[in-house]
Amino acid sequence: SQKIEQNSEALNIQEGKTATLTCNYTNYSPAYLQWYRQDPGRGPVFLLLIRENEKEKRKERLKVTFDTTLKQSLFHITASQPADSATYLCALGDNAGNNRKLIWGLGTSLAVNP
Amino acid sequence: DTEVTQTPKHLVMGMTNKKSLKCEQHMGHRAMYWYKQKAKKPPELMFVYSYEKLSINESVPSRFSPECPNSSLLNLHLHALQPEDSALYLCASSQYGRALYNEQFFGPGTRLTVL
Repeated sequence: SQKIEQNSEALNIQEGKTATLTCNYTNYSPAYLQWYRQDPGRGPVFLLLIRENEKEKRKERLKVTFDTTLKQSLFHITASQPADSATYLCALGDNAGNNRKLIWGLGTSLAVNP
Repeated sequence: DTEVTQTPKHLVMGMTNKKSLKCEQHMGHRAMYWYKQKAKKPPELMFVYSYEKLSINESVPSRFSPECPNSSLLNLHLHALQPEDSALYLCASSQYGRALYNEQFFGPGTRLTVL
């Protein structure tokens, strides 16, 4: 069955360092992948979308890579700040569902310490 | 206006009550979604409306009844809920109904508690 895994443990890093979050998937060939940020008690906020034919995408301090051979996406936040502390979710389009819905990972909790 | 609004923010209801959750967007999006989210879990899709027609029902119990009165509004009618239905209910919208092509914009959610 289709499976998505994100960093199983919460990630704690020091302010100013680069945070790297992973999203691995199996039994799946998504055409694209999305990353969202979610703060406690709030709805997710879209960050980046990367397609299977794109190796890397950047937006300000954020960078996403997509390796369809490794079946992995990496999400990087450079020069991290305490305000970046949140849960980060990766989501892939469900090919079987005709790409009408997203399959979500469990999320990785990131804490950036001042 | 790039916002999805949801009302109420919080709702407490008994198992015999009937209540409704409301969602509104004015971005001209043609797809709207209801999700349920429990603590430390990802959003769980319930329903998708595409061009005001129900296109996905993820085998949700009939005590949850969605309604899309027009392209900007989405309601979720609740009746005879169970305590395990307590969760954060999220509404989202996207430009088109195919998740492949576009991001989803989420509302702030309604925190529902069923006593």
